[in-house]
Order: sequence, then structure tokens, then C-alpha cells
Amino acid sequence: AQKITQTQPGMFVQEKEAVTLDCTYDTSDQSYGLFWYKQPSSGEMIFLIYQGSYDEQNATEGRYSLNFQKARKSANLVISASQLGDSAMYFCAMREGDAGGTSYGKLTFGQGTILTVHP
Amino acid sequence: AAGVIQSPRHLIKEKRETATLKCYPIPRHDTVYWYQQGPGQDPQFLISFYEKMQSDKGSIPDRFSAQQFSDYHSELNMSSLELGDSALYFCASSLWGQQFFGPGTRLTVL
Repeated sequence: AQKITQTQPGMFVQEKEAVTLDCTYDTSDQSYGLFWYKQPSSGEMIFLIYQGSYDEQNATEGRYSLNFQKARKSANLVISASQLGDSAMYFCAMREGDAGGTSYGKLTFGQGTILTVHP
Repeated sequence: AAGVIQSPRHLIKEKRETATLKCYPIPRHDTVYWYQQGPGQDPQFLISFYEKMQSDKGSIPDRFSAQQFSDYHSELNMSSLELGDSALYFCASSLWGQQFFGPGTRLTVL
């Protein structure tokens, strides 16, 4: 069974607008971590944001915020004030067995969403 | 700040040849991970090392082997290369759980 599901193969947004990228996950672990990475066309994987399963507050990093709904097992990424440079592939990933943000477990990735920002 | 270094960045090999990919983690990071990302695919976990010992193993073919050395750098050895091995290979390192990815090695098998 797919552990991380990103149902939007592609998304389009106008520059300066906000966009939400969806991610749902499946795990029986109580401790886990959720990540979002950005992969531009150049190929590197850029860490954006992290949410631990026990974190009560939604994570925020600059223009990125994570809308964490534990009961629904969703961890959507919200990008505010989109910029042309935000055009890239975005991956949601999960690490099971997290404890307070520290874990040495592997990441399991979703299929990714290609975001295109229009001027 | 120092980042994860991978070499080479690009590699072209013929079928049935061997390839060695190298990864130099961020200084003081004790865990190294290898991921394989095929064209249009999401990254798939191959193998990880903690303090020079294999800590987890994913969908790594038997033709592949890896190790972490005393200076914490890691090498992924790939033998009898197949066309399907063409992919972007990432190394990531971590100390307290946060995984930092290297730029990747793009392997093309002809």
C-alpha cells in the first residue's frame, strides 16, 4: 500500500498567490515525521519544512507552512506569495519511528507534484 | 556551511560495466543514506549506514553493494550495470535526524 500519496500530478498558480499541495500518509506508528522537499529542474533535493507527529503547532518556515491534520492523516504544504522560482517538483516524505524529531530512519516519498508558477 | 558532496556528478557507463559512486557527508554527521531516483519517479531508499555499520536496507539489487569508511564517507558500488540502473543517485547525511541531500550523481547506462 502506498504510504505517501500526492494526488496532484501538476498544479498551476499565479505569481504572488498562495497554493496548497496535498499530501496524505498512512502509518500505524505513533511517532513519525513528515517532510516536504523541493526538486528544481537541476535535480537537487532541497529541504523545505518538517512536522513531527507530536508537534501541536503547524510548522512554518518563511513562506512555507504545513497544514497538519493528524486525524485525517494529511500534511499539506502551503506556499504563500508564490514566486517564479517556486516552479519545481515538490515531494512529500515520511519517516517512521521519529522521537522528538530525532530518528535515523529512511524517508518514504510520495509521487511528487509539479508546480508551475505563471507570471 | 558545508554540504554533502557527491562524486562524480555525472557518469556514463556501458551495460555490464561497474560504477562506484562516492559520498562525503557533512562533517560530524554519523548517518549516510543512499536513494535512487529513476526518470520521472520519486526517490527510493537503497541503504543506510550509522557509525559505519549498515543500519537499514531497502530495494537495493544484489549487484549493488555499499559501505561507510572510517572517515564516514560512503561508496556505492554497482556491478553488471543494466539500462534500468540509469537514474539520479542521491546521498543524504544526518546527525540528529534531519536528512541533508547531496546534489546527486546522474548515472547513464548505455
